[in-house]
Amino acid sequence: EAQLLESGGGLVQPGGSLRLSCRASGVSVSRSYINWVRQSRGKGPEWVSVIQRSGRTFYADSVNGRFTVSRDESQDTVYLQMNSLRVEDTAIYYCATASNGVADAFDVWGLGTVVTVSS
Amino acid sequence: DIVLTQSPLSLAVTPGEPASISCKSSQSLLHRNGYNYLAWYLQKPGQSPQLLIYLGSDRASGAPGRFSGSGSATDFTLKISRVEAEDAGIYFCMHALQTPYTFGQGTKLEIK
Repeated sequence: EAQLLESGGGLVQPGGSLRLSCRASGVSVSRSYINWVRQSRGKGPEWVSVIQRSGRTFYADSVNGRFTVSRDESQDTVYLQMNSLRVEDTAIYYCATASNGVADAFDVWGLGTVVTVSS
Repeated sequence: DIVLTQSPLSLAVTPGEPASISCKSSQSLLHRNGYNYLAWYLQKPGQSPQLLIYLGSDRASGAPGRFSGSGSATDFTLKISRVEAEDAGIYFCMHALQTPYTFGQGTKLEIK
């Protein structure tokens, strides 16, 4: 059974940095599209980034240039490096993927990790 | 970016009655491969979203048979044939045609 587990969230001041991790089991990050999706309190989900099977990466405009997604295939882990954090980046961050290895929908989600940006 | 507009934003349904949610896209979600890249999710309080429908009308593994998806291009519908108490939560549509993927605003389903 495919599972994802996020970690690395916490409290950080505006302008600070944080690195989130998404550890995969039952699915290989090198053969999957691993997405990051965030959700602010009381709001709908917002797609943030994806790292494709090829290694290509894409970002939402709101984080482009500040966030970087990468992976360590030996650890089956995907990372989201978040720099120049803003108050509006405060959210639960989920990683999500399709267990069939295609990019049509997310049937596997982690439990999320909470990021709070505040002074 | 593709904008997804859901309606209604909330509805209250008696158990055993049907429910329907609409999702309209600002651009066609029909890929040249013939598939519509539209999915439906249910999010219950304190939980991660769970996939119900993908590619417009394919039911996800584990999704109850009372859930069905229909539509094509810019107009999609999620139907629940007979609502049960466990169906309460917020329903989101999401497209995966191209990045950035976007979500609808959500529809809150309340059980009477």
